[in-house]
Amino acid sequence: SQKIEQNSEALNIQEGKTATLTCNYTNYSPAYLQWYRQDPGRGPVFLLLIRENEKEKRKERLKVTFDTTLKQSLFHITASQPADSATYLCAAPMDSSYKLIFGSGTRLLVRP
Amino acid sequence: EAGVAQSPRYKIIEKRQSVAFWCNPISGHATLYWYQQILGQGPKLLIQFQNNGVVDDSQLPKDRFSAERLKGVDSTLKIQPAKLEDSAVYLCASSSPQGLAANAYNEQFFGPGTRLTVL
Repeated sequence: SQKIEQNSEALNIQEGKTATLTCNYTNYSPAYLQWYRQDPGRGPVFLLLIRENEKEKRKERLKVTFDTTLKQSLFHITASQPADSATYLCAAPMDSSYKLIFGSGTRLLVRP
Repeated sequence: EAGVAQSPRYKIIEKRQSVAFWCNPISGHATLYWYQQILGQGPKLLIQFQNNGVVDDSQLPKDRFSAERLKGVDSTLKIQPAKLEDSAVYLCASSSPQGLAANAYNEQFFGPGTRLTVL
């Protein structure tokens, strides 16, 4: 079955470093991937979308890559700040559908 | 622009009781989604509406869950009767003023969710 997998272990990094989160997909090739941020007690907030024909997308301190060979997307936050601490969710449409499958999210903690 | 509104924010009920959640999407958004998010997991789609029609309800436990969007604007999700495993956050989201074809690449806007605890 089609799956989106993220590292369930929290990522703990020092302020100012680059955070890198991984999203792997299996058993299909999504047309695009989306990344969302979710804070405790709140709904997810859309950050970035990358299409299968795009290698990389940037928005301010955020960068997303899409490697169709490795079946993987990487999400980078450069010059990380404590305010970046949150759970980051990866999502992709199910094959031949607009229905999104979400990964379980990776919790990022940025220490001051 | 006002975001997606949901109520209540929290609900505690006993198993076998009924509960209803309400969602008001962003004005003009034709597509509305209800998701279930269990602690430690990502959101799972329960039902998707396009205007007042159901596009996908394949993961909705229809023996106990129901949802409607009568006038193509706000929506209610009901659970009757609730089970312990229904304890979760129920998220409502909306997207795109253009409809399904145009929103293939559009982001979804989520409400704050309703945290349901079934005792």
